[in-house]
Amino acid sequence: GENVEQHPSTLSVQEGDSAVIKCTYSDSASNYFPWYKQELGKRPQLIIDIRSNVGEKKDQRIAVTLNKTAKHFSLHITETQPEDSAVYFCAAGYSGGSNYKLTFGKGTLLTVNP
Amino acid sequence: NAGVTQTPKFQVLKTGQSMTLQCAQDMNHEYMSWYRQDPGMGLRLIHYSVGAGITDQGEVPNGYNVSRSTTEDFPLRLLSAAPSQTSVYFCASSSRQGGYTFGSGTRLTVV
Repeated sequence: GENVEQHPSTLSVQEGDSAVIKCTYSDSASNYFPWYKQELGKRPQLIIDIRSNVGEKKDQRIAVTLNKTAKHFSLHITETQPEDSAVYFCAAGYSGGSNYKLTFGKGTLLTVNP
Repeated sequence: NAGVTQTPKFQVLKTGQSMTLQCAQDMNHEYMSWYRQDPGMGLRLIHYSVGAGITDQGEVPNGYNVSRSTTEDFPLRLLSAAPSQTSVYFCASSSRQGGYTFGSGTRLTVV
């Protein structure tokens, strides 16, 4: 089955700096790569996703890049703010037809210091 | 549009007891899944369903059963609760376009 590795497990940055979280996946059939943000005591919420036919996607201060050959994808947050502090999860899976399941990384605790 | 609704929010069970965690979605999503979240372990897939009447096992299925008789509902049954099943359980649903919407979670403690 799919295996997703996520690094680093913790990341501390100063407000205004950029943050980068990296993930690798094992199954070349995976074609869908979402990122979730989870604040303390809350549910995970989708912040951005990318499909295997796209190399990069941006949404304001957040961007995701995908390298299918190397089987890795990354989340980039620019101009970080204290409210970006949370646990971030990457996930990989196959989405299509009669099969859809996501495998998650173990998460990255991002702390943005004012 | 309530999204994904999970009940109960909190539950304490004694070892050996059984119970059902309820999950319902009103978005007409085909895909539904159950995950458990433990500290340092991320979200691990228990069971998932790609449509009514179709279910399959995930990464950690032992001790859990599911059924999907309707598109809306996907209950998770604990057959005989064990302390190792103490966790936070999340139900999630998605359309074919992807992107799970998660419920608010059930915090389960087995003593």
